[in-house]
Amino acid sequence: DAKTTQPTSMDCAEGRAANLPCNHSTISGNEYVYWYRQIHSQGPQYIIHGLKNNETNEMASLIITEDRKSSTLILPHATLRDTAVYYCIVSSYNTGKLIFGQGTTLQVKP
Amino acid sequence: GAVVSQHPSRVICKSGTSVKIECRSLDFQATTMFWYRQFPKQSLMLMATSNEGSKATYEQGVEKDKFLINHASLTLSTLTVTSAHPEDSSFYICSAQSSGANSPLHFGNGTRLTVT
Repeated sequence: DAKTTQPTSMDCAEGRAANLPCNHSTISGNEYVYWYRQIHSQGPQYIIHGLKNNETNEMASLIITEDRKSSTLILPHATLRDTAVYYCIVSSYNTGKLIFGQGTTLQVKP
Repeated sequence: GAVVSQHPSRVICKSGTSVKIECRSLDFQATTMFWYRQFPKQSLMLMATSNEGSKATYEQGVEKDKFLINHASLTLSTLTVTSAHPEDSSFYICSAQSSGANSPLHFGNGTRLTVT
């Protein structure tokens, strides 16, 4: 079973920041938090991952709480092309195995 | 960035025939590849873990004799759906992990299988 809880759906206005929350209260010390997204009929796209420090790349920022029980993915300026299902996954880096939950469907609106 | 290629992107086959799906890592060597299946409006379900040079490890409930996995090289894994039935119609997606430190999984663009 997936170890994360995400809202089923969210809306965001184009040009605004999209903040996607994820709860992972049972995360273990060696487990990373990964974020992927899936646009309709395509394979998942890697966004970002982190262990305990906040991370930023060209796509997004990942904010992990100090107790690591939750995190937030931030898309700083959402565009219509960011409309997708976003998956938050916790996994041990050593296994590489990712178990997907139901994710959050983000709808970016003009 | 790391690229994973899947072929074919779509395939239609008759019931009872077998279909082979290829997954290639184009610019890195993948010691481990994973196969997923996704039904409409559902999330991805992990089917099996494919390790180069050894037998695949299947998730509970996945029939290993029906879904044959071969990972003969560091850049290629294949999934063969044997004796396909209409209920095998699904979106099959592979992913690959390089052996580099701290590298995430990268996914192919999936194969839409329709069994008639």
